[in-house]
Amino acid sequence: NAGVTQTPKFRILKIGQSMTLQCTQDMNHNYMYWYRQDPGMGLKLIYYSVGAGITDKGEVPNGYNVSRSTTEDFPLRLELAAPSQTSVYFCASTTGVDTGELFFGEGSRLTVL
Amino acid sequence: AQSVAQPEDQVNVAEGNPLTVKCTYSVSGNPYLFWYVQYPNRGLQFLLKYITGDNLVKGSYGFEAEFNKSQTSFHLKKPSALVSDSALYFCAVRDYNAGNMLTFGGGTRLMVKP
Repeated sequence: NAGVTQTPKFRILKIGQSMTLQCTQDMNHNYMYWYRQDPGMGLKLIYYSVGAGITDKGEVPNGYNVSRSTTEDFPLRLELAAPSQTSVYFCASTTGVDTGELFFGEGSRLTVL
Repeated sequence: AQSVAQPEDQVNVAEGNPLTVKCTYSVSGNPYLFWYVQYPNRGLQFLLKYITGDNLVKGSYGFEAEFNKSQTSFHLKKPSALVSDSALYFCAVRDYNAGNMLTFGGGTRLMVKP
């Protein structure tokens, strides 16, 4: 089983460039999330979605955008990249039941220079 | 608002000794509590969870966690540590009154020495 797949694994951007981090899951999960992980800071929620066509902001949404046109895919768009967006990004999904655990992708390491 | 604290950035333990990784939480209602482990250059993997019932929860790889409501704690434990347990451990909480927002602690690095 593929689970949650993220691409690319690594990317270097110049300040002001834009890019999209791709996330797809094959578990038919309704809920999907984007987190960023900074050293010593744990994970911060950027955006989440409770189903196709529905998205909502998390703790740190500024500078990012998402869409959810299908159950499987939840891409994260970075507009006008800034050095503060240098981080490791994780996509995760769950069934949506409160007691359900999250399934994570392997992460995308982004550096903005 | 819900929050999680992991007071130790790093825990060092000798192989074969018991280990404890600490976690305290704050929620307005009843908590759902989770532990995840992260190996280098990998995503987080689920270890165990507390939803209701027995305060001692058993999970993957021989880990267990004890829920203590009066101390608002959910410490991760293992009776005998292995070198392969060395990784980054995250505690997380979901307040069932706050929808599906899962809040993570800052993480604790566990180092098990031979």
